[in-house]
Amino acid sequence: GQSLEQPSEVTAVEGAIVQINCTYQTSGFYGLSWYQQHDGGAPTFLSYNGLDGLEETGRFSSFLSRSDSYGYLLLQELQMKDSASYFCAVHSFNKFYFGSGTKLNVKP
Amino acid sequence: GAVVSQHPSRVICKSGTSVKIECRSLDFQATTMFWYRQFPKQSLMLMATSNEGSKATYEQGVEKDKFLINHASLTLSTLTVTSAHPEDSSFYICSARVSRQTNYGYTFGSGTRLTVV
Repeated sequence: GQSLEQPSEVTAVEGAIVQINCTYQTSGFYGLSWYQQHDGGAPTFLSYNGLDGLEETGRFSSFLSRSDSYGYLLLQELQMKDSASYFCAVHSFNKFYFGSGTKLNVKP
Repeated sequence: GAVVSQHPSRVICKSGTSVKIECRSLDFQATTMFWYRQFPKQSLMLMATSNEGSKATYEQGVEKDKFLINHASLTLSTLTVTSAHPEDSSFYICSARVSRQTNYGYTFGSGTRLTVV
């Protein structure tokens, strides 16, 4: 089976940098994705790491270490609109399995 | 960008009735569609994978006779919740992979909030 762990909640102030960690256990691992979900909305794709290292997309970056079964999402220059839940998801045997989500609260 | 249109967005039904949820890929062909369920403040749980023209594969613990999935065309997949009960009340979301060239980005439908009374 699959298991993913990420913090349940993180609070940060506008303009700050926050890192959301994700550790996983799975078989048939292909990669790690990150999704953002605002309350009542559908998840939206943020990034995917298939190889070790850092992927940067604007204010968001994502990192993967396959040997450590670990990844993180880095959000820079936080804005109020970044308040949402963030899910890591392992890509395993052509399916995606989601972590429990991290609720990010951005305060002024 | 690639869009998956999901309908209805909200539905209230009586116990014992059936509800059909549709997901259409509007500008791409979705050979594979994933169906998830999400309870309030919880994660998305993969229920089943539907492949166009073949039977869906269900995750362990998901009743295939209760959650009927049909993927008759490359642009339409449906989930029917049969004999719905209050415990089936949840947020149901479909998802499809857009393209191998988009770093395995999957696009999601907007979700269907089902309330069984």
